Amino acid sequence: SQQGEEDPQALSIQEGENATMNCSYKTSINNLQWYRQNSGRGLVHLILIRSNEREKHSGRLRVTLDTSKKSSSLLITASRAADTASYFCATFETGGGNKLTFGTGTQLKVEL
Amino acid sequence: DTAVSQTPKYLVTQMGNDKSIKCEQNLGHDTMYWYKQDSKKFLKIMFSYNNKELIINETVPNRFSPKSPDKAHLNLHINSLELGDSAVYFCASSPRTARGNTGELFFGEGSRLTVL
Repeated sequence: SQQGEEDPQALSIQEGENATMNCSYKTSINNLQWYRQNSGRGLVHLILIRSNEREKHSGRLRVTLDTSKKSSSLLITASRAADTASYFCATFETGGGNKLTFGTGTQLKVEL
Repeated sequence: DTAVSQTPKYLVTQMGNDKSIKCEQNLGHDTMYWYKQDSKKFLKIMFSYNNKELIINETVPNRFSPKSPDKAHLNLHINSLELGDSAVYFCASSPRTARGNTGELFFGEGSRLTVL
């Protein structure tokens, strides 16, 4: 079963705007990660946030984690057309047999 | 050089056939995985190997048999293909750090299997 549920399922914005994607999960986690998948390509790791961290930045990416609510958000600032892709959250579960469980994904479209 | 490479990229075959997908990583990672992505883009783990040893088998039908000849290779063989096997199959690997395995994955480009 899917560990993470993401919303929105699809998001369409204009270039330069910010994009926010949310992820909820069900079990205790060791860390939470975000991946990007361009159409027809493999997934690319973007950022990892540990369960004892609340916020993390990487370039135009900002990730938050609220373990009490079992939720995370990914903010992409000043979006570009090249950010158009599907974004997935993934959880590395505590005692979870060393596996990463993916959410349902958000399809982001950034229009010129 | 491609870090995680899978072949073939596309595979079209008839129901009942047997096929294999090969995966190789040149990152020196100990752990390798197979994931299946369906038409709705749901990604589900199938298998994981650590240094040639099977550590995760997620209730995948036994028509699917992974084989790891060495820690840089993890191949997937599928017997008696069914329509529902149509999907994109991703190979991935992950490193072991001083803090243990964080689960950060490096993915191949995927192998799109179409069963007719």
